[in-house]
Parts: sequence; structure tokens; C-alpha cells
Amino acid sequence: AQKVTQAQTEISVVEKEDVTLDCVYETRDTTYYLFWYKQPPSGELVFLIRRNSFDEQNEISGRYSWNFQKSTSSFNFTITASQVVDSAVYFCALSEVDNFNKFYFGSGTKLNVKP
Amino acid sequence: EADIYQTPRYLVIGTGKKITLECSQTMGHDKMYWYQQDPGMELHLIHYSYGVNSTEKGDLSSESTVSRIRTEHFPLTLESARPSHTSQYLCASSRLAGAGELFFGEGSRLTVL
Repeated sequence: AQKVTQAQTEISVVEKEDVTLDCVYETRDTTYYLFWYKQPPSGELVFLIRRNSFDEQNEISGRYSWNFQKSTSSFNFTITASQVVDSAVYFCALSEVDNFNKFYFGSGTKLNVKP
Repeated sequence: EADIYQTPRYLVIGTGKKITLECSQTMGHDKMYWYQQDPGMELHLIHYSYGVNSTEKGDLSSESTVSRIRTEHFPLTLESARPSHTSQYLCASSRLAGAGELFFGEGSRLTVL
């Protein structure tokens, strides 16, 4: 069974639009971590954020915000006022403490921001 | 800033050749990983290591092998490359304790003709 599901394969928006990337995870652990990574066309994965399972506070960093809801096992990522430079593939990932902190990645969502 | 380096960045090679993809990190991380990824697609874990002399196979079966003789170095070797090995290979590292984020290298894009 897929531990991390990113149902949106590809999203296209016009610059300045807001966009939300969905991430649903599955785990039986009580202690786990969730991550978002960005992979621009250059290929290198860039770490964006880490949240632990005990901290459901939403986080905002500039134009980026994350909504963590344990009740729905979701960790969604919103980009406000999108820019062309946001175009990339975004990956959500889960790390389970009881599973040697093994990482599980979703299949990624490709975001196209058009000028 | 991540200090993890992969060489070569790009490699085009003929079938049957032996290749080694190098990965080095200067962060003193105990955990290191190799992922295989087709462009823009899902990442598949093929090898990982928790420290020197520790290597494990990942979720995706791979004909490649790895070694971990030094903490900072985690090379991946293909004894006889085939066109099916054409892919991007991403190396990553993280600290041992807790759930530190993965730091990724820039990747090695391999094409086998």
C-alpha cells in the first residue's frame, strides 16, 4: 500500500494564482515526520519543511504555507501568489521513527506556473 | 547548505561497461542513501547505509552494488551496464539520530546505449 499519496500528477496555474498541493499519508506509528521537497528542472531535491506528528500547528514561510491535519492524515502545501520560479516537481515524504526513520516519498506533483 | 557531491553529473556509456557513481558528503552523516528516479517521477530507494561497513538493499531491486568503507563516501557500482539502467541516480545523507531531513546531491544522470 502506498504510504504517501499525491493524487495530483500535474497542475498548471497562471502566475499570481494560489495553488495547493495535496499530500495524504498512511502510518500506524504515533511518532513520525512529514517533509516537503522541491525538485526544480536542474534535478536536485531541495528540502522545504519538516513537521513532527506532535506538532499540528500550521506554518507559514513567505509565500509558502503548510496545513497539517492528523484527523485526515494530510499535509497540504499552499503557494500563494505563485511565480514562474515555483515551477518544479514537489514531493511529499513520510519518515517513521519505529521503522528506522525510513523515508517514503510520494510520486510527486509537477507544478507549471505560466507567465 | 548541503555538502553532498555526486560525480559524474552526466554519463553516456555503452552496454557492458562497468561504471561507478561517486557520492561524498562532508557533514559527517552516518546515514546515506541511493535513489533511482526517472525524470520528474517517483523516487525509488535502491540502497542505504547506517554507517561504515553497513549496507542494505532498498525497496527497488537493483543490479547495482554499494560499499561504505568511509563515513563520507558511498559509491554505487554497476558491473555491466545495460540500457535498462538508464536513469537518474540521487545520493542523499542524513544524521543518524532522530528524523533529520535528507540532503540530496545534484544527481548522476546515466544513459546506457
